[in-house]
Amino acid sequence: EPEVTQTPSHQVTQMGQEVILRCVPISNHLYFYWYRQILGQKVEFLVSFYNNEISEKSEIFDDQFSVERPDGSNFTLKIRSTKLEDSAMYFCASWDTTNVKLFFGSGTQLSVL
Amino acid sequence: GIQVEQSPPDLILQEGANSTLRCNFSDSVNNLQWFHQNPWGQLINLFYIPSGTKQNGRLSATTVATERYSLLYISSSQTTDSGVYFCAVGGSSASKIIFGSGTRLSIRP
Repeated sequence: EPEVTQTPSHQVTQMGQEVILRCVPISNHLYFYWYRQILGQKVEFLVSFYNNEISEKSEIFDDQFSVERPDGSNFTLKIRSTKLEDSAMYFCASWDTTNVKLFFGSGTQLSVL
Repeated sequence: GIQVEQSPPDLILQEGANSTLRCNFSDSVNNLQWFHQNPWGQLINLFYIPSGTKQNGRLSATTVATERYSLLYISSSQTTDSGVYFCAVGGSSASKIIFGSGTRLSIRP
């Protein structure tokens, strides 16, 4: 079965630093997403991306966040100036319109010190 | 926006028992999915079920869209069923799919 790939699996950064989380969605999918999950809490929607632009975003997705699809395969989430409260597992997902399934990557655990 | 509530928040059962997990949502949806998050954190898609009933082995799900709820049934529970079960819903497009707070299921041997 095709997979959504995320790198790195773990990222440790200092408060105030910029981080870029990378994802390779499944190639023929059309919608891409970023979610985050703070330890022990629910999975929170951040943003969706369709046709090379943001489709929807949540209140969490403020000016310090941005997303890009720089080429035909990668999908990135950038956090410009990390805060302690950005520490979480970040999941990338893509939507299979044919089989109507949301596929998730294994996540990137971000720790902000 | 759509509100999603799941119950119970926690469920502890002996191996072999059956369980029913519930998801209530505040508005009509065109997209409803059930996920299992295993102890390693992976999110596995179980069902896409905006209405009707589906079965896959020991798991089945029913969504009554007119009454805005969905149920996930697990029969003959195994320890590998442990983890958190999430319901996720969305509207007519796939642009925003939001998750409920989950049910943490623990199956004891």
